[in-house]
Amino acid sequence: EAGVAQSPRYKIIEKRQSVAFWCNPISGHATLYWYQQILGQGPKLLIQFQNNGVVDDSQLPKDRFSAERLKGVDSTLKIQPAKLEDSAVYLCASSLDRFPVTSTDTQYFGPGTRLTVL
Amino acid sequence: QQQVKQSPQSLIVQKGGISIINCAYENTAFDYFPWYQQFPGKGPALLIAIRPDVSEKKEGRFTISFNKSAKQFSLHIMDSQPGDSATYFCAATSGSRLTFGEGTQLTVNP
Repeated sequence: EAGVAQSPRYKIIEKRQSVAFWCNPISGHATLYWYQQILGQGPKLLIQFQNNGVVDDSQLPKDRFSAERLKGVDSTLKIQPAKLEDSAVYLCASSLDRFPVTSTDTQYFGPGTRLTVL
Repeated sequence: QQQVKQSPQSLIVQKGGISIINCAYENTAFDYFPWYQQFPGKGPALLIAIRPDVSEKKEGRFTISFNKSAKQFSLHIMDSQPGDSATYFCAATSGSRLTFGEGTQLTVNP
């Protein structure tokens, strides 16, 4: 089966500019996650969608970050305006998550988008 | 309470040796403990995972040891190979939220 697709793979922007990332999860996966991975650190959850509803966005900097998952499939993550500290790899993941959601559902990660903010 | 602490930060092992990575957690709400492997330019991929009611799980050359009372778990890679060179993340799950450790960069020399 096809994996999680992300684009673009790389993006370089100036601070205060805006940027958007796109994610297409594995077909049939109900849950979609966006993570931020700063160099040398583990991924940190930004937002979790169950179908097209937000389950957890407690760690999303809502003053500059936004995300949507229209029609419960593809998702976009936007940063506006970007700061230097936003330089990171943004990972999208998806999981099947039969109802009810369990801890054992495997999350499958895409290759990520490497963002550099100058 | 949500933190997962991982050590060492980096590890160099000779081919055929044993690689050991350790993790500790505080939050007793965690109920599943996966390990992820990440190669440069790729996203993390699930390697092996364990439930807290099991003390050990082995899959091929990879073994997780779990100590519930100490809130510690570790990954052992037996007969380490150069192809195992990657970054390894321990993680812990509560519900569907995955909390990652800081990662261990493993280098296996030929």
